[in-house]
Amino acid sequence: ETGVTQSPTHLIKTRGQQVTLRCSSQSGHNTVSWYQQALGQGPQFIFQYYREEENGRGNFPPRFSGLQFPNYSSELNVNALELDDSALYLCASSLVGGISDTQYFGPGTRLTVL
Amino acid sequence: AQTVTQSQPEMSVQEAETVTLSCTYDTSENNYYLFWYKQPPSRQMILVIRQEAYKQQNATENRFSVNFQKAAKSFSLKISDSQLGDTAMYFCACPTNNAGNMLTFGGGTRLMVKP
Repeated sequence: ETGVTQSPTHLIKTRGQQVTLRCSSQSGHNTVSWYQQALGQGPQFIFQYYREEENGRGNFPPRFSGLQFPNYSSELNVNALELDDSALYLCASSLVGGISDTQYFGPGTRLTVL
Repeated sequence: AQTVTQSQPEMSVQEAETVTLSCTYDTSENNYYLFWYKQPPSRQMILVIRQEAYKQQNATENRFSVNFQKAAKSFSLKISDSQLGDTAMYFCACPTNNAGNMLTFGGGTRLMVKP
């Protein structure tokens, strides 16, 4: 069984640029959630995708957008990068996104915005 | 909005001793699940233990157990026989809403296990 994978591991961008982060869900999982974890803080929920549709969204501006593909992998896109977007971005997958479903996390992508 | 509070930013424990990490949360839901995750320096969040709010019995996973007090909205994690590999950040999490399993996390407790 393959776990959750994310790419790239690290990324450096400049303010105003756009970035795309990728996530492959665990085998058999069709729900993917994205979280932003600033240094020294707990993760904050960005949004969740279930069967290619956005299923819920946290308090993040529209420049944070996402996609889920038919194989349930997912992308997180951030436009017009700001310095405060520097963080660890975590992807988590679960079976169907129900309240009893545990989320399994990937290793994260560290984004640095200069 | 749900909130999760971890009041101990840092804790330390001697190897083989027992330590308890505190967590309180706020939710208006009746049935929900609570989670403790561990994040070692490698960054990957690993599930430690989970508790269903409807169950009276506290969850246990090997050396890890919880003390769940539903009325007080308290969900503490007890680590027995602490090992050096337990050194990590520990996060408590509760559901963001009743529509799914999106999580609200606490600010974390940094645990150092000393030899």
